[in-house]
Amino acid sequence: QTVVTQEPSFSVSPGGTVTLTCGLSSGSVSASNFPGWYQQTPGQAPRTLIYSTSLRSSGVPDRFSGSILGNKAALTITGAQADDESDYYCVLYMGSGIWVFGGGTKLTVL
Amino acid sequence: EVQLVESGGGLVQPGGSLRLSCAASGFTFSSYWMIWVRQTPGRGLEWVASIKKDGSDKYYVDSVKGRFTISRDNAKNSLYLQMNSLRAEDTALYYCARWWEAHFDHWGQGTLVTVSS
Repeated sequence: QTVVTQEPSFSVSPGGTVTLTCGLSSGSVSASNFPGWYQQTPGQAPRTLIYSTSLRSSGVPDRFSGSILGNKAALTITGAQADDESDYYCVLYMGSGIWVFGGGTKLTVL
Repeated sequence: EVQLVESGGGLVQPGGSLRLSCAASGFTFSSYWMIWVRQTPGRGLEWVASIKKDGSDKYYVDSVKGRFTISRDNAKNSLYLQMNSLRAEDTALYYCARWWEAHFDHWGQGTLVTVSS
């Protein structure tokens, strides 16, 4: 069974840069997994930040960027702000119509 | 404005059934794949099922295959999830979402399903 791995938690200082990663329990993440990143605050539905590895969704600030780093997908937040404190989920396409979410990373800005 | 509104959640006993609905507006429903995603505090987000624009192709996560059925009525701009043989582990907030260009670009606010005796 495919498991998508994310750091359970991360913290960053205001104005700092943080990179969250999204890996596979077996194998490497590639562009053909169409990595996506979603931000979720308590009580709200998820919101797309990044899709297809590095495409920014409409209205998303350019301090959010996506890439492949080594064998993982990565979400980098440059110049973190207080309202970036959220849960971040990655999702990967595994083929045959199947998508798998990671367990999410709780980002603290302090 | 794109809107997705889920309904049909509630409390059901193990082994029971529920039918979730998602009413879509603000876009041409028949032009988009649609999906169901669920969320539990312990397991985060989980993709449940996807359905092609015309309903001809459907995909499911292994844990619901044979128990859940995704369907749509393009004339009514509605998406459905028929859930049978429900288990405690199906307890979750169920979201419908629109799929576009390899991402889930619009989400509803979710409907809560609780499976408990």
